[in-house]
Amino acid sequence: DTEVTQTPKHLVMGMTNKKSLKCEQHMGHRAMYWYKQKAKKPPELMFVYSYEKLSINESVPSRFSPECPNSSLLNLHLHALQPEDSALYLCASSQAGSGRNTGELFFGEGSRLTVL
Amino acid sequence: KQEVTQIPAALSVPEGENLVLNCSFTDSAIYNLQWFRQDPGKGLTSLLLIQSSQREQTSGRLNASLDKSSGRSTLYIAASQPGDSATYLCAVGDKLIFGTGTRLQVFP
Repeated sequence: DTEVTQTPKHLVMGMTNKKSLKCEQHMGHRAMYWYKQKAKKPPELMFVYSYEKLSINESVPSRFSPECPNSSLLNLHLHALQPEDSALYLCASSQAGSGRNTGELFFGEGSRLTVL
Repeated sequence: KQEVTQIPAALSVPEGENLVLNCSFTDSAIYNLQWFRQDPGKGLTSLLLIQSSQREQTSGRLNASLDKSSGRSTLYIAASQPGDSATYLCAVGDKLIFGTGTRLQVFP
């Protein structure tokens, strides 16, 4: 099983809402990632969790709050977002985390977020 | 800071052609390089992973090479098919910095 599952596939929210994106993998990977992708642009790294600890935060605004409850799950909590935060949010996992040879990264299908 | 560039940005070819996509990176201190394809509005599918100690990897009609010292990788697609139409992305480093992508269209 080389699957990374993301829910929901689509999310529409107002600027005052609080919502969460979820990601799950059962490959025994110890690193999980959040990327943001705008239309016709490559993915940009947001956060990396390695062994359930936040190891990289790429200066992401505090309205995005990641959480790693266990080695299989990764959440991204959203609060007070702006319309420019509308994008495809991609989750990925790998055997090892940052600062070492990560091995192959496996991506989910993404969550399409629209902020009104 | 690692910068990754892909050439060409877009490519449109008839079915059956052999293709070469290029990826260049500025910092050669990498553990590995990975090639992905992305269909419109979808996630990324891993195609090939090349470790820094390797020169190339092959999977079916795909062959990827890596010249770490010169900061280059190429993805060779043999006998292209319409189903190969997608955006191809290379990514390097433990933070997986992505290249700008090559948008490929293969027409029948």
